Amino acid sequence: KQEVTQIPAALSVPEGENLVLNCSFTDSAIYNLQWFRQDPGKGLTSLLLIQSSQREQTSGRLNASLDKSSGRSTLYIAASQPGDSATYLCAVTHQTGANNLFFGTGTRLTVIP
Amino acid sequence: DAGVIQSPRHEVTEMGQEVTLRCKPISGHDYLFWYRQTMMRGLELLIYFNNNVPIDDSGMPEDRFSAKMPNASFSTLKIQPSEPRDSAVYFCASSFAALYEQYFGPGTRLTVT
Repeated sequence: KQEVTQIPAALSVPEGENLVLNCSFTDSAIYNLQWFRQDPGKGLTSLLLIQSSQREQTSGRLNASLDKSSGRSTLYIAASQPGDSATYLCAVTHQTGANNLFFGTGTRLTVIP
Repeated sequence: DAGVIQSPRHEVTEMGQEVTLRCKPISGHDYLFWYRQTMMRGLELLIYFNNNVPIDDSGMPEDRFSAKMPNASFSTLKIQPSEPRDSAVYFCASSFAALYEQYFGPGTRLTVT
């Protein structure tokens, strides 16, 4: 069964700093990987979806990279802001085409003003 | 579009009672997913539908759980009878097509006492 791990579980950084969140998965036969943010008491907001054939995707200050063969993805956040404070989750789908999203455990980010 | 709509947002019920959670997916989305989020197990897929037909219900924990999608704009997740261990946040998500980005609703926080 696919296992998705995110390290660290929590991270605090001062405003303006660049940061990297990590995601690793045990089965490299993925179809795509999606990064979400979850605000306390709220649902999940999709940030970026990266296909298995892609190496990276960018949206504004966010950049997600994917190294499928090593089972890793990173989410880079540039010039962090207090509004970026949230829990960030990565999730993968399997190459077979099944729609199941396997979620990581999440990284809780706090950006200190 | 208003996004995925879920109701109620909060539900508190006593053990043994029937609970019905509701979801309206984004118009035009052919896939609908039900997830459960707990501290212990994170986010887990319970069931998903394609064009109103259940495709994979292997994540439904027990026969006490059932889900229906009578039409393209409405789905329910029912728990009967409810138990304290069912306490969790239940999310509904929808996507345009297979393996596309999933868009999540705000969730229903269920507490069973």
